[in-house]
Amino acid sequence: KNQVEQSPQSLIILEGKNCTLQCNYTVSPFSNLRWYKQDTGRGPVSLTIMTFSENTKSNGRYTATLDADTKQSSLHITASQLSDSASYICVVSAGSNAGKSTFGDGTTLTVKP
Amino acid sequence: ETGVTQTPRHLVMGMTNKKSLKCEQHLGHNAMYWYKQSAKKPLELMFVYSLEERVENNSVPSRFSPECPNSSHLFLHLHTLQPEDSALYLCASSQVPAGGPHNEQFFGPGTRLTVL
Repeated sequence: KNQVEQSPQSLIILEGKNCTLQCNYTVSPFSNLRWYKQDTGRGPVSLTIMTFSENTKSNGRYTATLDADTKQSSLHITASQLSDSASYICVVSAGSNAGKSTFGDGTTLTVKP
Repeated sequence: ETGVTQTPRHLVMGMTNKKSLKCEQHLGHNAMYWYKQSAKKPLELMFVYSLEERVENNSVPSRFSPECPNSSHLFLHLHTLQPEDSALYLCASSQVPAGGPHNEQFFGPGTRLTVL
């Protein structure tokens, strides 16, 4: 069964600090892995998308890594800001089937002043 | 703005009402999706329209009926809903190459639905 597990479930950090969110998956055959940011009551917004051959991708203060051998990904946030408070969702797609995107439960990040 | 709009943004309806959610994408994409997001639960894929063909999640009750008249518009028709159907309904679109994977999806802001 395809699964995506994210940790931690929630995280509180102080403004200006760095943090790392984790995503482990058992999706096969692997197509791509995406990280989304979802503000409360809003739709998710894409941060990064990585295919099998990519092991790191950055988007401003967000850097995602992918280890396809261990089936792990991380999202590192540098110099956090209050606006980073949101839910971060890891999504892994299998093959070319639209219905085969598996969503993680998300990590809720709270950045405090 | 992601280029995907949804209306209405909020909807309150009784269990006997019939209503429709509308989604429009301005990105020239060829695939559109409906998702349900209940409180503190992961996104749940309900329906996919790819090249105007429909792929559905078999666990979605028949009281939800999608319609995709063209590649830019997607509707979700609702009838005789239950209180447990209250959730955030999200629409998304993506560009799918022929025979290729469904990649980055662009989400709308969602419709917050409350069923009384």
